[in-house]
Amino acid sequence: GAVVSQHPSWVICKSGTSVKIECRSLDFQATTMFWYRQFPKQSLMLMATSNEGSKATYEQGVEKDKFLINHASLTLSTLTVTSAHPEDSSFYICSAGGLMSNQPQHFGDGTRLSIL
Amino acid sequence: GDSVTQMEGPVTLSEEAFLTINCTYTATGYPSLFWYVQYPGEGLQLLLKATKADDKGSNKGFEATYRKETTSFHLEKGSVQVSDSAVYFCALKDTNAGKSTFGDGTTLTVKP
Repeated sequence: GAVVSQHPSWVICKSGTSVKIECRSLDFQATTMFWYRQFPKQSLMLMATSNEGSKATYEQGVEKDKFLINHASLTLSTLTVTSAHPEDSSFYICSAGGLMSNQPQHFGDGTRLSIL
Repeated sequence: GDSVTQMEGPVTLSEEAFLTINCTYTATGYPSLFWYVQYPGEGLQLLLKATKADDKGSNKGFEATYRKETTSFHLEKGSVQVSDSAVYFCALKDTNAGKSTFGDGTTLTVKP
């Protein structure tokens, strides 16, 4: 089945640094990918829709300049958390594929981000 | 807009007990319905799906039937195992939609 790889799986860094998270579709091309944020014991919050070759579409309340998304190829989207602070600590998950309504999304294994 | 309402958790069961996690939805079109499972520290995996009314999705002993008349897609398993402990998400994708609408998730803990 379709595989989505997310890297890194866990990152700890100091406040003020920028962190890049990669999401790759390994065996299919993904013109659209989705980025989610998940707080402990809570549901997924859609942050943005990443579109290959064009600007991402951000959900209301998500800071575009804080969470930079780049989708430069059909198999790779990146999320960069700029000038990260402790409140940005969270579990970030990407998904790809399944653009038709009857197709499921394929999720990466998530990235645990901890800002000290 | 579309929405998914899931049974609140957490749910704690003994091994071999019967499981039901309720899920109801509202949608403007003719949605497809999904159950995803998330094990600790991991992303979501598709558990089962149903794409039209009266369809039954099934996988690994789990079942859910698409009930249009009650706008429901309840997840059931006849005999749970400790390894079923996870968070379960109900989701829908409306007609021509690429992104999903998720419920809040239900945490299941199965004790030996």
